[in-house]
Parts: sequence; structure tokens; C-alpha cells
Amino acid sequence: QQQVKQSPQSLIVQKGGISIINCAYENTAFDYFPWYQQFPGKGPALLIAIRPDVSEKKEGRFTISFNKSAKQFSLHIMDSQPGDSATYFCAALKETSGSRLTFGEGTQLTVNP
Amino acid sequence: DTAVSQTPKYLVTQMGNDKSIKCEQNLGHDTMYWYKQDSKKFLKIMFSYNNKELIINETVPNRFSPKSPDKAHLNLHINSLELGDSAVYFCASALGALVDFGPGTRLTVT
Repeated sequence: QQQVKQSPQSLIVQKGGISIINCAYENTAFDYFPWYQQFPGKGPALLIAIRPDVSEKKEGRFTISFNKSAKQFSLHIMDSQPGDSATYFCAALKETSGSRLTFGEGTQLTVNP
Repeated sequence: DTAVSQTPKYLVTQMGNDKSIKCEQNLGHDTMYWYKQDSKKFLKIMFSYNNKELIINETVPNRFSPKSPDKAHLNLHINSLELGDSAVYFCASALGALVDFGPGTRLTVT
């Protein structure tokens, strides 16, 4: 079964707009929730991550919001730029289980100039 | 000074052949992985090694055999390649929850 569900599958935003990607998880044992950014022909790169004892984490234009009771978390990209155009993956892991990442399905973000 | 490196970048081969992908990390991490990304970009773990010991083996055909000669290297050997093996294979390594991915190997089976 798909333990991490991600939406939307694709997203088109104008430059300067806010991009929002949502994820929901099932396994309450997960204790680390990273977001990865992947450009064509490259490997996924860690963008930002959060642990479930925190409701929000911000790094520059990127913010994760985390709702433990709803088992949901989201990525907000403020002032989206064309260079942000990439595929974004949410993921979850349980650190004591070998840091095995369970990924969402991915969101193809396009930021138009 | 690449952290996680893989070779080759591209691999085109015919059905039935045997091929290997090599991975090296210079981060000093104890845990290494192989992930597969399918044509829909879905990423799924295949194997995980910790200090040369296999700790995760997902439901992967036994035609796939990982080998870790030391904790900095994790190679993937694939026997009797099938069309459905066409995908991008990513090596990764981890320190705690921080997982770093390599650049990927695009395998095309014809």
C-alpha cells in the first residue's frame, strides 16, 4: 500500500506566486519528514525536513507545515521562481529502521516567468 | 569531490544480458542504499546495507544482487535483464536521517 500520498501530481504557478504541495502519511511510527527536489537528469536533493514535534519549519522561501493529528504535512514555496521548476517529493522515514525513505508520488512544479 | 558517485551514467543493453552498476560514497556514512525510479518517477527502495551487512531487502527479483566490498562501496549486479528493468537506479548513503543520493544510472533494456 502507498504509505505516503502526495498531491497535486502537477502544479503550474506564476513567478512570484506561492506553490503548495500536500502529503499525507499512514504510519505513525515515522519520525522524520524530508522534502526532496529533483531536476531532470539529477538525483533527488534534500531541500528541507521536519520532525513531528515541530509544527512548522522555515528555511528561506521554503516552509514545511506539519499537522501530527491529521497525519499531514505540506511544502510552501514563497515567491516561486522559474529556477524552482522541478519535481518535488515528500518522504517519511523511521530513523531506527535504517532510515529507509518512503516517498510520495512526486509533484512536477512549473513556474512560469 | 562528489559525495555519492555512480557509474555508468547511462547503460543501454539487450534483454538477457548481465550488467553491473557501481556506487561509491566519500561521506563516511555507514548506511548505503539502492533505489529504483520508474517511468512515472516513483522512487522505491530496493536494498540497504549497513557496514557491509544487508539490512533491507525489498521484494526485488533475485536477479538483482547487491554487493558491498566495504562500507564506502555498494554495487548492484543484475542478471538476465528484462524490459521491465528499464528505470533510473539511484545509489544513496545516510548518516542518521540525512540521506544523500547519487546522480543516477539510467538503464535501458532493449
